[in-house]
Amino acid sequence: KNEVEQSPQNLTAQEGEFITINCSYSVGISALHWLQQHPGGGIVSLFMLSSGKKKHGRLIATINIQEKHSSLHITASHPRDSAVYICAGTQGGSEKLVFGKGMKLTVNP
Amino acid sequence: DTAVSQTPKYLVTQMGNDKSIKCEQNLGHDTMYWYKQDSKKFLKIMFSYNNKELIINETVPNRFSPKSPDKAHLNLHINSLELGDSAVYFCASSPRLAGGYNEQFFGPGTRLTVL
Repeated sequence: KNEVEQSPQNLTAQEGEFITINCSYSVGISALHWLQQHPGGGIVSLFMLSSGKKKHGRLIATINIQEKHSSLHITASHPRDSAVYICAGTQGGSEKLVFGKGMKLTVNP
Repeated sequence: DTAVSQTPKYLVTQMGNDKSIKCEQNLGHDTMYWYKQDSKKFLKIMFSYNNKELIINETVPNRFSPKSPDKAHLNLHINSLELGDSAVYFCASSPRLAGGYNEQFFGPGTRLTVL
């Protein structure tokens, strides 16, 4: 079992919809990263959080440490949000990121 | 202005060859990483260096040898390439040790195809 699990694996939405991408992780993960990989292949870090909530533009990331769960929300989705969203956990006490398998989001106009 | 750059972007080569991928970051970061993304798009860490010192060495075949001539550069040399080495290799950097607790900045990736 992977230490970081994402659901769903694929999601198709209509422009303007509110989207939630989920990530659950196992004991030993002490921080969560959300990454975005566009069809061209480049990877961009969206958030790193170890508690609470962070917001950047239309993106909101939350983490619930007790439930070992994080969510990435996209408000007013747009076709340019189409990408693979990857959740990655920091193994406590190390440099190491452990990655989820990613979720492919397609936002249709 | 590129923060983390990799060369080449594409690399096609025959089995058994030796090849290198170069990575440079101009962000002044102390820590650099190599990640491998397989055909199923699954990312996995290979190596991490902090100030030219090896910090993480995941169970990677010893045909893979990272080299950090200075803290701005982390190159990946691969000997005796095998079909299974075909993947996209990403370099990344972060501001300091405990990079797992810092935002990481990724290079554009190098798509390696072994024929």
